[in-house]
Amino acid sequence: EAGVTQSPRYAVLQEGQAVSFWCDPISGHDTLYWYQQPRDQGPQLLVYFRDEAVIDNSQLPSDRFSAVRPKGTNSTLKIQSAKQGDTATYLCASSFAGTTGQLYFGEGSKLTVL
Amino acid sequence: AQSVTQPDARVTVSEGASLQLRCKYSYFGTPYLFWYVQYPRQGLQLLLKYYPGDPVVQGVNGFEAEFSKSNSSFHLRKASVHWSDWAVYFCAVTDYAQGLTFGLGTRVSVFP
Repeated sequence: EAGVTQSPRYAVLQEGQAVSFWCDPISGHDTLYWYQQPRDQGPQLLVYFRDEAVIDNSQLPSDRFSAVRPKGTNSTLKIQSAKQGDTATYLCASSFAGTTGQLYFGEGSKLTVL
Repeated sequence: AQSVTQPDARVTVSEGASLQLRCKYSYFGTPYLFWYVQYPRQGLQLLLKYYPGDPVVQGVNGFEAEFSKSNSSFHLRKASVHWSDWAVYFCAVTDYAQGLTFGLGTRVSVFP
């Protein structure tokens, strides 16, 4: 069974540039999460979806970050006008709604903003 | 709001020695608790989970954890550490309606 796939694995930007991260969850998983993990810190939830609906985006910096999951499968996280403080690894995870807390994570997309 | 504190940022242990990683949680009610592990250059993986019930839960690779409501703790243990246990360990809490809230992690180094 294929795991959670993320791309690109690495991105290096200048401040002010935009970047999009893509996530393909495990087939059949209805819940998809995006986490931000700064270096030497724990993952911090940005947004999560059940099917195509946003369940919680309260921690998403809405002025520059956006996330979509239009067909309830793949998802894209976009950062516009990146800042140095956005430097982090962006993790995607998926799960079944009935398996509380049992998330399957991708390897992450490491973003460096110069 | 739910939160998790892992008081030890780094732990160094000799191969074959026992290991205990501490986790304190803050949550109103009965939480669901988890330990995840992040091996070098790999994604986070679930090590074990606590759903309300038996306070001692078993995980993979010989790990176990004990839930204590009175101490608001969920400490992780392993009787004999192997070099392959070199990783970062994260404690996490949630209820059924929210995403996981992680601690800052404990970096475990294993030496011969």
